[in-house]
Amino acid sequence: DTGVSQNPRHKITKRGQNVTFRCDPISEHNRLYWYRQTLGQGPEFLTYFQNEAQLEKSRLLSDRFSAERPKGSFSTLEIQRTEQGDSAMYLCASSLRGGTREDNEQFFGPGTRLTVL
Amino acid sequence: AQKITQTQPGMFVQEKEAVTLDCTYDTSDQSYGLFWYKQPSSGEMIFLIYQGSYDEQNATEGRYSLNFQKARKSANLVISASQLGDSAMYFCAMREGRLGTGNQFYFGTGTSLTVIP
Repeated sequence: DTGVSQNPRHKITKRGQNVTFRCDPISEHNRLYWYRQTLGQGPEFLTYFQNEAQLEKSRLLSDRFSAERPKGSFSTLEIQRTEQGDSAMYLCASSLRGGTREDNEQFFGPGTRLTVL
Repeated sequence: AQKITQTQPGMFVQEKEAVTLDCTYDTSDQSYGLFWYKQPSSGEMIFLIYQGSYDEQNATEGRYSLNFQKARKSANLVISASQLGDSAMYFCAMREGRLGTGNQFYFGTGTSLTVIP
């Protein structure tokens, strides 16, 4: 397994358009996370899945954002009616569920850079 | 209030010297986890070290150690014997709540470390 992959790596869109990003986690990982990172800031937590269940969603997350993980494997993050403020790097991470210290490690993908014109 | 505070926007260290990156956190949960990540200029997030709130010993991973002072709510990262490849952004992060119960994750704003030859 080559790690967490994200597609596309870059996306340029016009304001008002919908965009969808895909994340493929490490195959045996059942936890999946989405983050957003803007320039000069730390990642901002968006949402978290355990298998196909979305267990946590940031209170800051607009209703224009929706995420799915239909079969507990890959996940998609959709942003509807994009705004210029949505321009950021969108990061996906995955981890194992378990009781060991190592299970706390989140493996991050390379990110999708979104630019809204 | 900020959940994670990193007060050092930038730090410099001489190669082979040790450096401490500061992190304080704010939570009322009894169970939480603290993390440090490294983000080189290439952009990928790399997990460095984890400390659980109930862990009595400070976490260590090779040249990285976490100075956990629970009463002061601080989780400083110590890098020993700095190397040129350690130059990067370093983020402190916290998971609130017990692992697996639906968690919120918070990242600090980061510290940019530059190792001087």
